Amino acid sequence: EVQLVESGGVVVQPGGSLRLSCAASGFTFDDYAMHWVRQAPGKGLEWVSLISWDGGSTYYADSVKGRFTISRDNSKNSLYLQMNSLRAEDTALYYCAKDKVEMATITYFDYWGQGTLVTVSS
Amino acid sequence: DIQMTQSPSSVSASVGDRVTITCRASQGISSWLAWYQQKPGKAPKLLIYAASSLQSGVPSRFSGSGSGTDFTLTISSLQPEDFATYYCQQANSFPQFGQGTRLEIK
Repeated sequence: EVQLVESGGVVVQPGGSLRLSCAASGFTFDDYAMHWVRQAPGKGLEWVSLISWDGGSTYYADSVKGRFTISRDNSKNSLYLQMNSLRAEDTALYYCAKDKVEMATITYFDYWGQGTLVTVSS
Repeated sequence: DIQMTQSPSSVSASVGDRVTITCRASQGISSWLAWYQQKPGKAPKLLIYAASSLQSGVPSRFSGSGSGTDFTLTISSLQPEDFATYYCQQANSFPQFGQGTRLEIK
């Protein structure tokens, strides 16, 4: 059974930093691209970042480019999101999501974690 | 950037009704489109990918169609568990979601 379990969400002050983690199991982690998708309270879904299956390519939404860094450790079946210079508008539930197609870069999200809540507030 | 526009933003329907939700891309995306269902407090669930392919385990009352810029999600006979918010997502370039369609009980 595929499982994605996020952690690391807390309340942080504007300008602060945070690292989110996602522990994956139930599939061959290093065969799939992985994504972070966020959802502000009461709002829709926003794609944040993706990392290729081998970690060699990373991409970001314009809203987080230069502030967030995605990474993965395939030996630990883990995905990370380093979040710096946090703003109030980064407040959201952050989901990690698995790409559907093996060895692809961007397709669809076939498995999602339960999300971890990041609140940016003074 | 490719913009995705869903309509309607919300719809009220009854159990047994046929419901159609549309999604329009600001430029052609071939068949690179998915549909997701999200219930309150839960993660989204993939229903349809590649515009018309049913994800494993999803009931056959869900179907998708379209290509290019115009797409539809149809639920042939609404069940109580189908009341939720639905999102489209394009995968032709960096993922972009529609704003969502809330399906409510009439």
